[in-house]
Amino acid sequence: AQSVTQLDSQVPVFEEAPVELRCNYSSSVSVYLFWYVQYPNQGLQLLLKYLSGSTLVKGINGFEAEFNKSQTSFHLRKPSVHISDTAEYFCAVSGSGNTGKLIFGQGTTLQVKP
Amino acid sequence: DAMVIQNPRYQVTQFGKPVTLSCSQTLNHNVMYWYQQKSSQAPKLLFHYYDKDFNNEADTPDNFQSRRPNTSFCFLDIRSPGLGDAAMYLCATSRDPAPNEKLFFGSGTQLSVL
Repeated sequence: AQSVTQLDSQVPVFEEAPVELRCNYSSSVSVYLFWYVQYPNQGLQLLLKYLSGSTLVKGINGFEAEFNKSQTSFHLRKPSVHISDTAEYFCAVSGSGNTGKLIFGQGTTLQVKP
Repeated sequence: DAMVIQNPRYQVTQFGKPVTLSCSQTLNHNVMYWYQQKSSQAPKLLFHYYDKDFNNEADTPDNFQSRRPNTSFCFLDIRSPGLGDAAMYLCATSRDPAPNEKLFFGSGTQLSVL
């Protein structure tokens, strides 16, 4: 079975500052890792995903994440945030044996202040 | 734009009164999912359809049912809603059920139970 822990429920940050949203997972099998973003009053949309290969994954809107197998982490980063990045961010994992079943973390609210 | 559409955005029902939530998609995807997201919690998979095959999660209450009359539409029926069923219900689709597939989400239906 897989599980996901997002360590911060809320992350306030000033505009143009860097940000890191933390995600740790547990799994007994190989995993695929995802970050989804949910803007206010919208559905979740995929930011980026790690399937295999390079551990540094680049996504949309300038976000990137690094898969660290030894630390079972998949932290999301952006070097300089904008007001428009204010949203809920969900880390998710699916195992190689599951049929498309995504296990989500509880989400981190990123609040970008001017 | 091809998308996943959920109606209504907000649904209010009475305790014990059956309610149906709807989802439609123009992506022609084979898989449709229903997730339940309670306040400040992770989205939780209730069930999914792979084409016409229904796949229920082991811990989904019997009170929750689903129908998929054709590729484009999928319904979530709650036979006797309780106060604990108040939540955001998210519909999602994917091209196929592989665990590395990207999911496309609707904007969700916020269900209130009075």
